[in-house]
Amino acid sequence: EIVMTQSPATLSVSPGERATLSCRASQSVSGNLAWYQQKPGQAPRLLIYGASTRATGIPARFSGSGSGTEFTLTISSLQSEDFAVYYCQQYNNWPPLFSFGPGTKVDMK
Amino acid sequence: QVQLVQSGAEVKKPGSSVKVSCKASGGTFTNYAISWVRQAPGQGLEWMGGVIPLYGTTNHANYAQKFQGRVTITKDDSTSTAYMELTSLRSEDTAVYYCARQSVATIRGVYYDYGMDVWGQGTTVTVAS
Repeated sequence: EIVMTQSPATLSVSPGERATLSCRASQSVSGNLAWYQQKPGQAPRLLIYGASTRATGIPARFSGSGSGTEFTLTISSLQSEDFAVYYCQQYNNWPPLFSFGPGTKVDMK
Repeated sequence: QVQLVQSGAEVKKPGSSVKVSCKASGGTFTNYAISWVRQAPGQGLEWMGGVIPLYGTTNHANYAQKFQGRVTITKDDSTSTAYMELTSLRSEDTAVYYCARQSVATIRGVYYDYGMDVWGQGTTVTVAS
């Protein structure tokens, strides 16, 4: 079973600043990595899939990078609506089994 | 714009079972995978399992090891409805249960997943005596 870890657990950022979130897999997942944003009381929202491809309608300030075991989500200039919890999620190729990281909470400094 | 509409909240006794439905509104499930993800109060997301389309007509189910033997996920393309049944409920199963649609493809024998792009509104399942 592939275990995902995320750091930091909480990231305090001021609006307009850059936020960098990390995700690590216990073994290589190639580029099979997605990022989700979740706000309180809401379902998660897909931001990035395939490690670096933005989902439909996702602003360009969100970018993903990495492969293998190390991945990064960058929010280039944090907006007020970006304060939320961010989860990474991996899948192995076959059979497709998924797992999420524990999440990084981005809050206001 | 497709929406996933889940069945309503449930209160169950320990040891019983629950079956949650997820119906596509404004679209279909055909050629899409469906996953079920749960979130216990104040906790993170946990993938339970899902069904993926194979060769156009077959839906193949995969489950997280933790839920093997206790969860059954099915998808009825004719009614655009997916179901998740969890048995032998215990208090730790108290959570919000989400269904999520995934765009997938198999290219030259390699499975590709394009993320869980549409989510249901969530169904709260409370297990209490």
